[in-house]
Amino acid sequence: AQSVTQLDSHVSVSEGTPVLLRCNYSSSYSPSLFWYVQHPNKGLQLLLKYTSAATLVKGINGFEAEFKKSETSFHLTKPSAHMSDAAEYFCVVRSGGSQGNLIFGKGTKLSVKP
Amino acid sequence: EPEVTQTPSHQVTQMGQEVILRCVPISNHLYFYWYRQILGQKVEFLVSFYNNEISEKSEIFDDQFSVERPDGSNFTLKIRSTKLEDSAMYFCASTRGRGAGLNTGELFFGEGSRLTVL
Repeated sequence: AQSVTQLDSHVSVSEGTPVLLRCNYSSSYSPSLFWYVQHPNKGLQLLLKYTSAATLVKGINGFEAEFKKSETSFHLTKPSAHMSDAAEYFCVVRSGGSQGNLIFGKGTKLSVKP
Repeated sequence: EPEVTQTPSHQVTQMGQEVILRCVPISNHLYFYWYRQILGQKVEFLVSFYNNEISEKSEIFDDQFSVERPDGSNFTLKIRSTKLEDSAMYFCASTRGRGAGLNTGELFFGEGSRLTVL
């Protein structure tokens, strides 16, 4: 069965400093992995996705994630945080079902201090 | 840019009442989903729908829940007799479908309908 574990429930950074949100996955085969972001009172927006192409995936708003099979990780990074990055971030794996519905991690709340 | 729209954005209801949450998926999408997020908890899969029938459902999706695509555009989630524990944010999502180049697994989500059961 597929699953994801987000290692931090809350991360706080200062504006302009790097962001690292950690995610480990468990999958019996090559997974499809995603990061979604949820701003307050908003829906879930796709940041980026990995679907067995390049291991370094670039997403929107300067975010990127690297798929590391040896470490079963898919950490989300950004070189320089912006105040508008404050939100909840979800690491997601696509299940093995016929339509491949999504399995969400518990989420990491990112706070950005001025 | 096309988007998934959901109504209402917030509904308050009494325990035992029926609730219908509505969604308009993106027009050329073929697979539709409902997820929910209880406050402070994970986003959980409820049900997926394709070709006018349920294709997959979770343990949460019991007999109190039903889904329907009554016309070519709306996709509804009905809770027959609401319970306190049904209070959550309900997200509708859609995706284009299977086949080469069509389904990269990306789901497009609506902004959610917050249901409060008193």
